[in-house]
Amino acid sequence: AQSVTQPDIHITVSEGASLELRCNYSYGATPYLFWYVQSPGQGLQLLLKYFSGDTLVQGIKGFEAEFKRSQSSFNLRKPSVHWSDAAEYFCAVGAPYSGGGADGLTFGKGTHLIIQP
Amino acid sequence: GAGVSQTPSNKVTEKGKYVELRCDPISGHTALYWYRQSLGQGPEFLIYFQGTGAADDSGLPNDRFFAVRPEGSVSTLKIQRTERGDSAVYLCASSSTGGMGYTFGSGTRLTVV
Repeated sequence: AQSVTQPDIHITVSEGASLELRCNYSYGATPYLFWYVQSPGQGLQLLLKYFSGDTLVQGIKGFEAEFKRSQSSFNLRKPSVHWSDAAEYFCAVGAPYSGGGADGLTFGKGTHLIIQP
Repeated sequence: GAGVSQTPSNKVTEKGKYVELRCDPISGHTALYWYRQSLGQGPEFLIYFQGTGAADDSGLPNDRFFAVRPEGSVSTLKIQRTERGDSAVYLCASSSTGGMGYTFGSGTRLTVV
């Protein structure tokens, strides 16, 4: 069965500093990988996704993530955070199937990002 | 519609009652998903529809939970004999092709008292 581990429950970063959120997955082959952001009372917004090809993926809001097969990781990065980035971040893994898409996703427990002024 | 719409946004019900949660996906999206998010947790997959049929219902926790999508658009998640442990935010998502970064609704917060 697939699983996702986000080892950091909370991370505090100063505004303007760089950010890296960790994500490790367990899956037998190359999965589909996603990062979502959730602000209080809001639904999940897709930041970026990896299906195949270039292992460095660019997303919205200045975020990027790098797929490292050897480490089973898909860490999210941003060079300079803004106060508006404070939110809950979820990494998710999906199993590709012959139809070309992922069905149900398995999510990590999330990392709560706090931005210090 | 422009986004995935879920109604109601909040639902409080008594233990043992029956509830229905509605999801109106983005127009034309054939794939529809239900997830449950408990406090402090990530979303947990419940069921996936491709068109009218449930392609994967392996995440439904027990037979008190059931979902339908009779015309391939709107879906209803039905919970019978609700329990306090069912309290959570129920999220719906839709996609034009299975899983290629689907769009989530804002969820229905269900509280069982």
